[in-house]
Amino acid sequence: IAGITQAPTSQILAAGRRMTLRCTQDMRHNAMYWYRQDLGLGLRLIHYSNTAGTTGKGEVPDGYSVSRANTDDFPLTLASAVPSQTSVYFCASSESSGTGPLEQYFGPGTRLTVT
Amino acid sequence: GQNIDQPTEMTATEGAIVQINCTYQTSGFNGLFWYQQHAGEAPTFLSYNVLDGLEEKGRFSSFLSRSKGYSYLLLKELQMKDSASYLCAVGDSNYQLIWGAGTKLIIKP
Repeated sequence: IAGITQAPTSQILAAGRRMTLRCTQDMRHNAMYWYRQDLGLGLRLIHYSNTAGTTGKGEVPDGYSVSRANTDDFPLTLASAVPSQTSVYFCASSESSGTGPLEQYFGPGTRLTVT
Repeated sequence: GQNIDQPTEMTATEGAIVQINCTYQTSGFNGLFWYQQHAGEAPTFLSYNVLDGLEEKGRFSSFLSRSKGYSYLLLKELQMKDSASYLCAVGDSNYQLIWGAGTKLIIKP
């Protein structure tokens, strides 16, 4: 693989169900991000990780959790899905310089519908 | 609060030039990015400005004025494949990117 992969591509999920969105990168980037993108709104940061073993909350973290056990994988979990979590989810990664944000590379996205 | 403003939609003609503006108010400034996003696809990087002035990259150029909190993306010799959304993003004091809602550019023959 080259770049970032996400799975699944799309999913319809019943409200109240648990769901994990998968994200894997092979660029050895330290930093990884999860965004959601809704019509008329910009990309909103859910959670991020500056390096393996650390995570942080973004702008809209409620209802989501992440883990970063290794450099390559950054799964996003919805513990109990609600309809307002219907969105397109993008995983992204970047090298981390410590002196400023760097170009982020995006996965193809997961289109999630919560019914 | 933090805010990125850009027009919702613009229309231009194939072969012409279009300028997409972005104004921002953020807690700190660590660079401004422009991304292109075709419908149903992921955003892809176009340009990065951290100092005032114009950065040119082929048919695309990006300008930054930090004192005015203003940037623009200039697209020349428009092609039909340039029909996409263009996203402006600013690095804040925590080095996170704050994103505008995007400008949908429609190219007409």
